[in-house]
Amino acid sequence: ETGVTQTPRHLVMGMTNKKSLKCEQHLGHNAMYWYKQSAKKPLELMFVYNFKEQTENNSVPSRFSPECPNSSHLFLHLHTLQPEDSALYLCASSHGDLANYGYTFGSGTRLTVV
Amino acid sequence: DAKTTQPNSMESNEEEPVHLPCNHSTISGTDYIHWYRQLPSQGPEYVIHGLTSNVNNRMASLAIAEDRKSSTLILHRATLRDAAVYYCILRDAGGTSYGKLTFGQGTILTVHP
Repeated sequence: ETGVTQTPRHLVMGMTNKKSLKCEQHLGHNAMYWYKQSAKKPLELMFVYNFKEQTENNSVPSRFSPECPNSSHLFLHLHTLQPEDSALYLCASSHGDLANYGYTFGSGTRLTVV
Repeated sequence: DAKTTQPNSMESNEEEPVHLPCNHSTISGTDYIHWYRQLPSQGPEYVIHGLTSNVNNRMASLAIAEDRKSSTLILHRATLRDAAVYYCILRDAGGTSYGKLTFGQGTILTVHP
């Protein structure tokens, strides 16, 4: 266990479904992040939240909708996805204002869109 | 974002030291050098970070060049469990980047028994 918990670990969904990914940390961190890792590609930063406020959206399509109700929880709501959205979705947390502090990642949700 | 350059892959034998290089010639004065590794089917794991001085922890050592334009992650005795993708990343302390981490391709380390 890393201290960052992601659920579910695996998800298969149809293109017309709506589902949500959940991330939870109790490390006292004030920043949370969503990354996407497609096969054979580097991790891509999707969203950044600092103190519950979204501070970065890296041109992510609107079919991905993040939500951060508090500093400990982060969600990624999914709807009308495409097969190319199949990937490993990783959540991380850190102290966003401290560059001399590491990120803690969860184990990820393996998403398959059929 | 300041970029880093790493070899695509490296190989080592078990119980031998491994030196993983990273070039970051455009590093700024406020950038911290971070190293992460990702084992198969897992999220990345923090390894070590530094600013100017060499750093040691239970996992590895980080040697930083005097001009800070390059660094080397040192695994003192490689084990099979060290086989992973190793990422060298610069984390900015200033500006509006909120210290985000931008990952590159990393170095795939293969450890032979």
